Amino acid sequence: AQKVTQAQTEISVVEKEDVTLDCVYETRDTTYYLFWYKQPPSGELVFLIRRNSFDEQNEISGRYSWNFQKSTSSFNFTITASQVVDSAVYFCALSPRRTYNFNKFYFGSGTKLNVKP
Amino acid sequence: NAGVTQTPKFRVLKTGQSMTLLCAQDMNHEYMYWYRQDPGMGLRLIHYSVGEGTTAKGEVPDGYNVSRLKKQNFLLGLESAAPSQTSVYFCASSYSGRTLTDGYTFGSGTRLTVV
Repeated sequence: AQKVTQAQTEISVVEKEDVTLDCVYETRDTTYYLFWYKQPPSGELVFLIRRNSFDEQNEISGRYSWNFQKSTSSFNFTITASQVVDSAVYFCALSPRRTYNFNKFYFGSGTKLNVKP
Repeated sequence: NAGVTQTPKFRVLKTGQSMTLLCAQDMNHEYMYWYRQDPGMGLRLIHYSVGEGTTAKGEVPDGYNVSRLKKQNFLLGLESAAPSQTSVYFCASSYSGRTLTDGYTFGSGTRLTVV
């Protein structure tokens, strides 16, 4: 079974606080991709990052960082020094690698982040 | 700007009416997808297409039909709208279904309300 769980429905922080969004996934595949997408109030979905299952190195991009741990099947997303513009719904997604079919996405239910000034 | 364009952006339908949502991409992508987004449920795949002239069912295909007559367009039809189809619909495309370097490119969504 393929499943992505984002247990945090909504998080509120004050600007400049650090915040971590949790993502736990389930898959029996050994090769897969993990993604994070941002959905700002305007509604579009914006790609943030892709990781493959063989690369457990943490990644940092500006104020964003991602912690991938296969041992706990987690792919958590941290925003450092949050800003009001970070307010959005964030989706984690899993895509098992297939050699005979397309890579289907399994999305989590999303975490709504509210950053207050 | 290159990307995925969805029309219309908003629509209100009466139960039993029909309509078609249009998705157009200008990136020469082979794969196109229709998702619906409902509160607390993330995005669920309705139908997808792996190339011009092909379509296939996703997780929640009932009540919808699709067509991909041209590579750049993917149409989603509701033959007889029901209140349960009130949702936000997203179209997406990708160059290949096997190698997702940047995930999908999503459209901006269509908010559909069925009353």
